[in-house]
Order: sequence, then structure tokens, then C-alpha cells
Amino acid sequence: SAVISQKPSRDICQRGTSLTIQCQVDSQVTMMFWYRQQPGQSLTLIATANQGSEATYESGFVIDKFPISRPNLTFSTLTVSNMSPEDSSIYLCSVVRISYNEQFFGPGTRLTVL
Amino acid sequence: QKEVEQNSGPLSVPEGAIASLNCTYSDRGSQSFFWYRQYSGKSPELIMSIYSNGDKEDGRFTAQLNKASQYVSLLIRDSQPSDSATYLCAVLLMNSGGYQKVTFGTGTKLQVIP
Repeated sequence: SAVISQKPSRDICQRGTSLTIQCQVDSQVTMMFWYRQQPGQSLTLIATANQGSEATYESGFVIDKFPISRPNLTFSTLTVSNMSPEDSSIYLCSVVRISYNEQFFGPGTRLTVL
Repeated sequence: QKEVEQNSGPLSVPEGAIASLNCTYSDRGSQSFFWYRQYSGKSPELIMSIYSNGDKEDGRFTAQLNKASQYVSLLIRDSQPSDSATYLCAVLLMNSGGYQKVTFGTGTKLQVIP
């Protein structure tokens, strides 16, 4: 499996601020995704991070709220902008390795918005 | 109809018994199927993948796929208390443009009673 790291692992933020989450993979991957998992819920796909182009967002998620960068094949960032308490969640980076169809998850970032 | 459906549970089994987890999916074009295990407060961990009809065994785990009936199941033999977790079923769909989307079920919570 791929080794995926995320920073920060957790944060407590004030309403109206922004937080950028980093995802680093130890090998080149074809696909990188960002998910959200709210307490007691399953995974919700936010967007697919495309290398060198704009991310592809799922219904209900917009670039202004969740800007994503992917400057190369091993790194991506997700920013949660203008945060509100409803954004409190675990944010997960996920990757699919080249030549595999299997998807792996990073350890997650636990975000609390006050 | 949800794209991937699972019984939320909890499913309670005694230690040493067989735990049977089921999942149905709606899109007949789905190509790959996965089971993830998620412990409370942790990120999902891939435990099984299956791509063709039939059974696939890995240690105490057996994944079963029936594409005609659109269901996939996971059997855990000799269940241990350490198997207590939420099990997520995931389904991969490729479209004509090659875009890969994995859809997750809401998960089944398994409790193995000592």
C-alpha cells in the first residue's frame, strides 16, 4: 500500500478563518481524492485533485469553499475556507496507485470549528 | 435508491463465530469491489478487493461477488473482538472518459462479543 501522510493531524479553528491541509504520498499515484467524514457518518467525496489542472468537485462542493491544489503526482492540499461549525469533520486524503485499482487513505485531519 | 447499500447494524456475533456482511450496488457497470475496515477514530483500511464473480479468500476473510445479483459480501471466520469495527463496502465505476469514481456504502458496525 502507499504511505500517505497528512498535516495537520488535528486543529481547532475559529469561525471565519481558513485551514490548509496537506497530503503527501511516498510514491507517484494516478488519482488523489479528498473526502469528508462527519461524526457517525460514512465518507463523502469532496473532489478529485487533478495534477496540473483544476480539481473536479462533487455536487454540493465548490472551489471557493474548498480550493484544492495538486502541483505534482505526490502532493495535494485542501483548503477549508471561511469555516463555520458545520465544517467540523475529519478530512481524508485518498490515493490510487499507478497500475492498481485499489484506493488507500491517509490518517485524516480532525477539524473542529468553534 | 442508494448506489451502495449496507445494513448499518450493529451486527453482533459471538467470538469464534462467522460474521457475514452484505452489500448491494445499483450500477451494473461497476467493475471492482472493496471492503474497508474502520476502527473508531481511525481512517479506513483496505482489507479485501474482488474483481470477478465468485469467492476470494485471504486468511480469515472471504469476499464473495455476484454481479448478476449485484451484491458483494464479506465473511469473517473465527471472529475476534479485535474485528469489532465498521466495515465499509466500496464500488469502483469507470466511465467512458476513464474517470474513476469509488462510491462507499454507509458501513456496517460489527461487534464481536467475547
